[in-house]
Amino acid sequence: EAGVAQSPRYKIIEKRQSVAFWCNPISGHATLYWYQQILGQGPKLLIQFQNNGVVDDSQLPKDRFSAERLKGVDSTLKIQPAKLEDSAVYLCASSLAAGVQETQYFGPGTRLLVL
Amino acid sequence: GDSVTQMEGPVTLSEEAFLTINCTYTATGYPSLFWYVQYPGEGLQLLLKATKADDKGSNKGFEATYRKETTSFHLEKGSVQVSDSAVYFCALASGGYNKLIFGAGTRLAVHP
Repeated sequence: EAGVAQSPRYKIIEKRQSVAFWCNPISGHATLYWYQQILGQGPKLLIQFQNNGVVDDSQLPKDRFSAERLKGVDSTLKIQPAKLEDSAVYLCASSLAAGVQETQYFGPGTRLLVL
Repeated sequence: GDSVTQMEGPVTLSEEAFLTINCTYTATGYPSLFWYVQYPGEGLQLLLKATKADDKGSNKGFEATYRKETTSFHLEKGSVQVSDSAVYFCALASGGYNKLIFGAGTRLAVHP
């Protein structure tokens, strides 16, 4: 079974530029998550989709971050404009459903460096 | 709010030593508890989980027991190998939408 796919794997940009990340979840998984992992910290949830609807975006900096999940499958996360503090690994995860007993499967992540 | 606290690293052990990584949590309701592992250059992988009090999760020789009375989920392994060198994250999921809350991670280095 194919895992969660993410691209690109690495990205270097200047501050105030924009950047987009792509995620393809495991086939059949209804729930998709984007996490931000700053160096030396655990991942922090940015946004969670159930099919193509948002169920939690309470920690998403909405003035600069946006995300969408068209057709309930692939998702993109965008940052515009980027700040130095956005340097982190952006992880996408998916699960069959949204119950607390469900296992989340993570992709390899996109490492972003903002200069 | 809900939170997870795990012991700071790095933890450095010799091969075949006993491993304990402490994890405690604060949560309302009845969370599920997880240990994830991140090997060098790889993504997060689920190591084990427990979904209710007194459950024991186990995988690859690792074990953790969900202790509601001490709000803990300590990770143990009887004999570590060099290949166990990685960063270990304790996490909980609670509430209606399976939001994972992670600890800061503990780096384990095992030497031959």
